[in-house]
Amino acid sequence: KAGVTQTPRYLIKTRGQQVTLSCSPISGHRSVSWYQQTPGQGLQFLFEYFSETQRNKGNFPGRFSGRQFSNSRSEMNVSTLELGDSALYLCASNPGLAGYNEQFFGPGTRLTVL
Amino acid sequence: AQSVTQPDIHITVSEGASLELRCNYSYGATPYLFWYVQSPGQGLQLLLKYFSGDTLVQGIKGFEAEFKRSQSSFNLRKPSVHWSDAAEYFCAVGADGGSQGNLIFGKGTKLSVKP
Repeated sequence: KAGVTQTPRYLIKTRGQQVTLSCSPISGHRSVSWYQQTPGQGLQFLFEYFSETQRNKGNFPGRFSGRQFSNSRSEMNVSTLELGDSALYLCASNPGLAGYNEQFFGPGTRLTVL
Repeated sequence: AQSVTQPDIHITVSEGASLELRCNYSYGATPYLFWYVQSPGQGLQLLLKYFSGDTLVQGIKGFEAEFKRSQSSFNLRKPSVHWSDAAEYFCAVGADGGSQGNLIFGKGTKLSVKP
């Protein structure tokens, strides 16, 4: 099975712009989560989607949003970019079965805001 | 609120030496605990997990971890470190009452290996 894929791998934007990142989960996985990783704050949970519905959300401003499609692919959007949004954005998928499932992480998208 | 503490930001060990990375968590009930490893420029790879049962869990690459409820700890160990183990290691706990996809991570411990 192919792993979690994220596109693009690298992105450079300027302040005020918006950006969309994409995540394709492992085939058959119904849950997709997004995390932001920065040197200062570490890894922080953004949100999780399951069957096209946001199931949980972290403590991030409304500029951060996401969605999930019927094929479980997910996108996250950041509007009005700020310098502090520069980070590695990681996507993770899991089967979404009953009980606790292992998260499988993608390689991440490195976003640089200038 | 749940939290994870990794007290050591950076550890250097000699190749062949033993390793122990510390992790303490704060959680009200029996936690779901994980150790992940991240190589530079890469995503996270799961080393091992604890859900319930035997408190000593074995993982990939020769790693093991022991869950100690009385100490709220889940320390990662390896008897003999290889140069390829140099990476950053993250301890994580499944968030209380949250969905499966919500993990709370420690700040990580960077491991350097001396030849």
